[in-house]
Amino acid sequence: DGGITQSPKYLFRKEGQNVTLSCEQNLNHDAMYWYRQDPGQGLRLIYYSQIVNDFQKGDIAEGYSVSREKKESFPLTVTSAQKNPTAFYLCASSQRPGTSYEQYFGPGTRLTVT
Amino acid sequence: GDSVTQMEGPVTLSEEAFLTINCTYTATGYPSLFWYVQYPGEGLQLLLKATKADDKGSNKGFEATYRKETTSFHLEKGSVQVSDSAVYFCALSSDSNYQLIWGAGTKLIIKP
Repeated sequence: DGGITQSPKYLFRKEGQNVTLSCEQNLNHDAMYWYRQDPGQGLRLIYYSQIVNDFQKGDIAEGYSVSREKKESFPLTVTSAQKNPTAFYLCASSQRPGTSYEQYFGPGTRLTVT
Repeated sequence: GDSVTQMEGPVTLSEEAFLTINCTYTATGYPSLFWYVQYPGEGLQLLLKATKADDKGSNKGFEATYRKETTSFHLEKGSVQVSDSAVYFCALSSDSNYQLIWGAGTKLIIKP
């Protein structure tokens, strides 16, 4: 079955540590995205990538970093510089960047930093 | 800039009631419009979409019509079930960039 996998589902870290969230897709999609969702709120775009070895900052990129070395993988690192990292993180992909191409989402990773 | 406005929730209905969740948008050009659904603790799933004016998207009994004259894409269902309880997001994808612009989401609670 094609889809997007995110691991782990729950992640706990101490303040001051960097943590990397995994996102893998086997849909052969060109574009991939990372969103942050806080309780009772909508989605905010962190980073997106339209093609391998290229990515752009979204609305809230500060304190985060990404890489896109392979088409199927788009890991997100939450650095110690992120002031309030506890949130639900969602990875998505779309066939290619374009207005009619819907995004497909993974199950999400809930990160708790204490 | 482009934006999406959804009605605030939560919306609480009894089973078999008629559902409307309002969504209006501001965008230049000819955006595509989407409704996504998020069940508790899960990622988002595409519910339906429309890519041009007067298109009607439909899925699982839900419908929404792309109304350019009123810049709206309201979600409707004739008879809701308890299993429809979730958060519903309206989104648009515009000509000016390839990102999705999201509404804040509307939480729907269906009581038996």
